[in-house]
Amino acid sequence: SQQGEEDPQALSIQEGENATMNCSYKTSINNLQWYRQNSGRGLVHLILIRSNEREKHSGRLRVTLDTSKKSSSLLITASRAADTASYFCATDVTSGSRLTFGEGTQLTVNP
Amino acid sequence: GAVVSQHPSWVICKSGTSVKIECRSLDFQATTMFWYRQFPKQSLMLMATSNEGSKATYEQGVEKDKFLINHASLTLSTLTVTSAHPEDSSFYICSASRGELNTIYFGEGSWLTVV
Repeated sequence: SQQGEEDPQALSIQEGENATMNCSYKTSINNLQWYRQNSGRGLVHLILIRSNEREKHSGRLRVTLDTSKKSSSLLITASRAADTASYFCATDVTSGSRLTFGEGTQLTVNP
Repeated sequence: GAVVSQHPSWVICKSGTSVKIECRSLDFQATTMFWYRQFPKQSLMLMATSNEGSKATYEQGVEKDKFLINHASLTLSTLTVTSAHPEDSSFYICSASRGELNTIYFGEGSWLTVV
């Protein structure tokens, strides 16, 4: 069964707008990661946030983690049409790299 | 460039036949690799953990006799879908962790279509 639930399931915005995706999980985690997947392709690692971290930035990406609420958010600022993809959160309960994925958010950025 | 390679990228096979998918770590040794399955418009589901030199660990509900996993070397894990049926048609992705920080790299995935 999936550890994580993401919302929204689908998000459509205009270029230049910000996109926020949320992820909730059920058990304690070692870290949480966000991945991007273009249609029919493999996964691209975006960012990893450890359980003792609350916020992390990477370029136009900002990830927050609230372990008390067992939730995380991914913010993409100044979105571009090329950001159109599915975004998944994945949790790692141990340090063994066994990931449990959320349901994913399909982001569409309209030019 | 890719550090984890999967082959083939796509394969079509007849119902009842077996098909093998390879996952290779290109420039590092991976004692553990993971196999996921993804149906269209769905998330990735972990199928099994592939351990070099020992038996794979399967997730609940995954038939180990149908999805044979072999991790014979530190750079290669194979997934064989035996007696494939149309419902096995899916996107299969492997991953491997690298280094002390266990950075995870995913392969590009393999599309399997059973006709």
